[in-house]
Amino acid sequence: QSVLTQPPSVSAAPGQRVTISCTGNSSNIGAGYAVHWYQQLPGTAPKLLIYTNNNRPSGVPDRFFGSRSDTSASLVISGLQAEDEADYYCQSHDRSLTSVVFGGGTKLTVL
Amino acid sequence: QVHLVQSGAEVTKPGASMKISCKTSGYTFTSHYLHWVRQAPGQGLEWMGLINPSGGSTSYAQKFQGRVTVTRDMSTSTVYLELTSLRSEDTAVYFCAKTMSYAYAFDLDYWGQGTLVTVSS
Repeated sequence: QSVLTQPPSVSAAPGQRVTISCTGNSSNIGAGYAVHWYQQLPGTAPKLLIYTNNNRPSGVPDRFFGSRSDTSASLVISGLQAEDEADYYCQSHDRSLTSVVFGGGTKLTVL
Repeated sequence: QVHLVQSGAEVTKPGASMKISCKTSGYTFTSHYLHWVRQAPGQGLEWMGLINPSGGSTSYAQKFQGRVTVTRDMSTSTVYLELTSLRSEDTAVYFCAKTMSYAYAFDLDYWGQGTLVTVSS
């Protein structure tokens, strides 16, 4: 059981917008630790998608947007494309566990 | 060009130990922390631990305390993950990854290709 909770799956049609939530608590996101997001295509290593809450590494389209509030964070993907179909993970630090933690992952299906 | 190249797949028996490597290149080895993350078949990402290549200090997930050791060889810019007392639940793909930021961080911008470790009798 992950300390960061994500919906197991989300789906939307091409061109639409989807939001993936990441719910933590006062020991992790609520404590002010950074939240990062990763995209993992089948059979490949994860790719850093959003770092420190709402920043995009070079090469990541601005269709991907990260935000945070209190004890949660969200990844918004707009203008969905077929190539966005992947697993998405949020990540933060937990001070009670003194550990880096990942969310359980969300599988995005582009209908 | 940053590269993290991991050692090849392994098959090992329950109770044994494993030691896999992650050879880095293309950046200053001592400037970025190295993390190990694993992924069991069909499961999510699980953080295992990290090393500061500069001083060699380490931090491990509580779940693996006592079984895991991360070390580095500064002469070859290589990091190692050792896991002992293996059980079937340790069957997974193991990834190494470097941080983007300097000092303590967990924003992992470059990843190795992954090493599949299979624990089976």
